[in-house]
Amino acid sequence: AQSVTQLDSQVPVFEEAPVELRCNYSSSVSVYLFWYVQYPNQGLQLLLKYLSGSTLVKGINGFEAEFNKSQTSFHLRKPSVHISDTAEYFCALRTQGAQKLVFGQGTRLTINP
Amino acid sequence: EAGVTQFPSHSVIEKGQTVTLRCDPISGHDNLYWYRRVMGKEIKFLLHFVKESKQDESGMPNNRFLAERTGGTYSTLKVQPAELEDSGVYFCASSPGWRGAPSSYEQYFGPGTRLTVT
Repeated sequence: AQSVTQLDSQVPVFEEAPVELRCNYSSSVSVYLFWYVQYPNQGLQLLLKYLSGSTLVKGINGFEAEFNKSQTSFHLRKPSVHISDTAEYFCALRTQGAQKLVFGQGTRLTINP
Repeated sequence: EAGVTQFPSHSVIEKGQTVTLRCDPISGHDNLYWYRRVMGKEIKFLLHFVKESKQDESGMPNNRFLAERTGGTYSTLKVQPAELEDSGVYFCASSPGWRGAPSSYEQYFGPGTRLTVT
């Protein structure tokens, strides 16, 4: 069975500071990896995805993530956050050949001025 | 292009009552998924439709939950009778049919229906 672990349930940072949201996964087969964001009172929106190729993937709103197969990680980073980045972030995987997404528990990012 | 829509946005019902949630996927998307997030837990898969057929219903918690997808368009998820542990946010997502490109893997999510069973 596959699983996703987001190591931090809450991450508070100051505006314009860098942030890293951690995600580790477990799977015996190859996976596709995703980060979704949920802004207050909205649905989930795809931030970025890793399907194959370059291990560093860039997404919307200045976010990027690096796929590390040896460490089974897919951490999300942004060099300088804004108040508007306040949201809950979800890491998810999908195994090749399967359709369903397996999600982590979510990380709530709070930006302080 | 309209996104995935869900109705209602909130529902408060008493234990033992019936509730029906509706999802309208993006037009032309063959795949439709239901997920649920119980308070404080991760988002969990419930089931997957391909057009009007149930492809995978391994995540359905028990037989109090019934999902249908009429004519391969909108879908409903009925909970009958509702129990306290059914409270949570129910998300619907859709994706295009397989067209040989990994980009078709992206699932587009609706805003969710918050269900509270009292």
